[in-house]
Amino acid sequence: GDSVTQMEGPVTLSEEAFLTINCTYTATGYPSLFWYVQYPGEGLQLLLKATKADDKGSNKGFEATYRKETTSFHLEKGSVQVSDSAVYFCALEGTGGTSYGKLTFGQGTILTVHP
Amino acid sequence: DTGVSQNPRHKITKRGQNVTFRCDPISEHNRLYWYRQTLGQGPEFLTYFQNEAQLEKSRLLSDRFSAERPKGSFSTLEIQRTEQGDSAMYLCASRRLAGGPGRTDTQYFGPGTRLTVL
Repeated sequence: GDSVTQMEGPVTLSEEAFLTINCTYTATGYPSLFWYVQYPGEGLQLLLKATKADDKGSNKGFEATYRKETTSFHLEKGSVQVSDSAVYFCALEGTGGTSYGKLTFGQGTILTVHP
Repeated sequence: DTGVSQNPRHKITKRGQNVTFRCDPISEHNRLYWYRQTLGQGPEFLTYFQNEAQLEKSRLLSDRFSAERPKGSFSTLEIQRTEQGDSAMYLCASRRLAGGPGRTDTQYFGPGTRLTVL
């Protein structure tokens, strides 16, 4: 079945540091890929998405590129802020059979940014 | 605010009791999903509805769990004879599914209901 693997966390950075959170996936067909963010005490929010190979999703300074050859969708940001502290989830949505329309999530990565 | 809402936000119950959660999706969203999130893990799919029809249930959804969406609008998730292992955050999401494969409309999540079984 479909699966998503995120880098082990948590991640602690100083403000303005470069961020990478690795995400790899296993899926049949051509899934859509997502990054969701969960701020303390809040629900999941879509951060960015990509629906086909080589697409780049971007939002709020975050970027991720859909790499089919490496089955990866790594999240990057050039300069993090304290307000980026949250839990980040990589997810895929299958496009075929019983996977269609359901999200499969990674285990999440806790990001803490210090001033 | 016209986002997904869930009630209650928190529920504490004793083992063996029944609990029911409610989800109100975004208006006109025809698909509604339930997920469960345990501490330190990502959400896991439980079940989903297209309008009032329940189209799929995960193997995680034991026979103590039942979900309904009677008029294709709000949905309820009931857990009978709760166990301590049911303690988790229960998330609801909705979307307006449009078009065929490749047309990915976003799932919007509610704030969740945190269940604690003592």
